[in-house]
Amino acid sequence: KAGVTQTPRYLIKTRGQQVTLSCSPISGHRSVSWYQQTPGQGLQFLFEYFSETQRNKGNFPGRFSGRQFSNSRSEMNVSTLELGDSALYLCASSLGPGIGANEQFFGPGTRLTVL
Amino acid sequence: AQSVSQHNHHVILSEAASLELGCNYSYGGTVNLFWYVQYPGQHLQLLLKYFSGDPLVKGIKGFEAEFIKSKFSFNLRKPSVQWSDTAEYFCAVTTSYGGSQGNLIFGKGTKLSVKP
Repeated sequence: KAGVTQTPRYLIKTRGQQVTLSCSPISGHRSVSWYQQTPGQGLQFLFEYFSETQRNKGNFPGRFSGRQFSNSRSEMNVSTLELGDSALYLCASSLGPGIGANEQFFGPGTRLTVL
Repeated sequence: AQSVSQHNHHVILSEAASLELGCNYSYGGTVNLFWYVQYPGQHLQLLLKYFSGDPLVKGIKGFEAEFIKSKFSFNLRKPSVQWSDTAEYFCAVTTSYGGSQGNLIFGKGTKLSVKP
């Protein structure tokens, strides 16, 4: 079974631009969560989607948004990029909410560099 | 707010030494607990998890962890480390707060360096 895939793997943008990252979950998984990983803050939760609905959101500004499609694929968007948005963005998929179904499988991440 | 603390930022061991990495969380309700590992250049992988039942859980590659509810702890152990265990280890928790369990709260991570 193929794992979680994320595209692109690397991205370089300049301040003020916007960016869209994509995540394809493991086949059969309906829940997708996004995390930001930085050396200073570690791994921080961005948001979670299930059945095309955002179920939970972390403490990030409104410039960070996401969506999920009917095939469970998800995208996240960051508008008006800032230098501090440089990070590894990780996507994780799971079968869906509920005890026992919450084991999350991570993708390789998208390394975003903002210049 | 819920949080996870990992006591050691960087641990250096020789091969065959025993390992124990500390993890404490702050949340008074039902929790699910995880240890993830990130080998150099690779993505996060699940080492082991605790949902309920026996508080001593065994994971892959000889790792185990013990959930001690009274201490809000979930320490990771391995009796004898190998050079290939060099990686960064993350403790994480999800709670039933808000009805969603898709929100993994991670500790800052512990880098383990094993000297051959």
